[in-house]
Amino acid sequence: KNEVEQSPQNLTAQEGEFITINCSYSVGISALHWLQQHPGGGIVSLFMLSSGKKKHGRLIATINIQEKHSSLHITASHPRDSAVYICAVRRVDKLIFGTGTRLQVFP
Amino acid sequence: DAGVIQSPRHEVTEMGQEVTLRCKPISGHDYLFWYRQTMMRGLELLIYFNNNVPIDDSGMPEDRFSAKMPNASFSTLKIQPSEPRDSAVYFCASRQRDSTGELFFGEGSRLTVL
Repeated sequence: KNEVEQSPQNLTAQEGEFITINCSYSVGISALHWLQQHPGGGIVSLFMLSSGKKKHGRLIATINIQEKHSSLHITASHPRDSAVYICAVRRVDKLIFGTGTRLQVFP
Repeated sequence: DAGVIQSPRHEVTEMGQEVTLRCKPISGHDYLFWYRQTMMRGLELLIYFNNNVPIDDSGMPEDRFSAKMPNASFSTLKIQPSEPRDSAVYFCASRQRDSTGELFFGEGSRLTVL
């Protein structure tokens, strides 16, 4: 079993829909990252969380430390949100990555 | 700041050749990480440095891989000799020392070994 599990693996949505991507982990962590990678592109850090909730534009990330679970929400999704979203947990100085969620948003 | 800078962006080489990938971290960042991304295995940590000192190289696949950080503004990842299974995208990332430090990735170096 992977230490970091993401669901779903693939997700399609119509423009404007509310999207949720989930991440569960089984190890103690000091922080959790949500990363975004566009096809053939680099990796961008969206959020780093150690507790609670963060919001940036249409993106919201939450974490529940007791339940070892985090969610990434996208409100009013847009085709430009199409990308792979990767959850990664930090243990000491190292990141352990989930396998990613491939999101496609259609107009 | 220009962000984390990697070169080359793309490299195509033949099996057996030496490959050197380069990374310039963000100025003032204490940590530098080298990751490899493949379709089969996703993102994997190869090695990381703290203040130019290698801390954990347990992810380096084998002796053909080596990494150096001669100063705070430059690191190299070398593969010698290269093999087709080394084909991947190699990312460099850096962050500051404090535990809340955001991680910043370079654009990646896409390596193809024929």
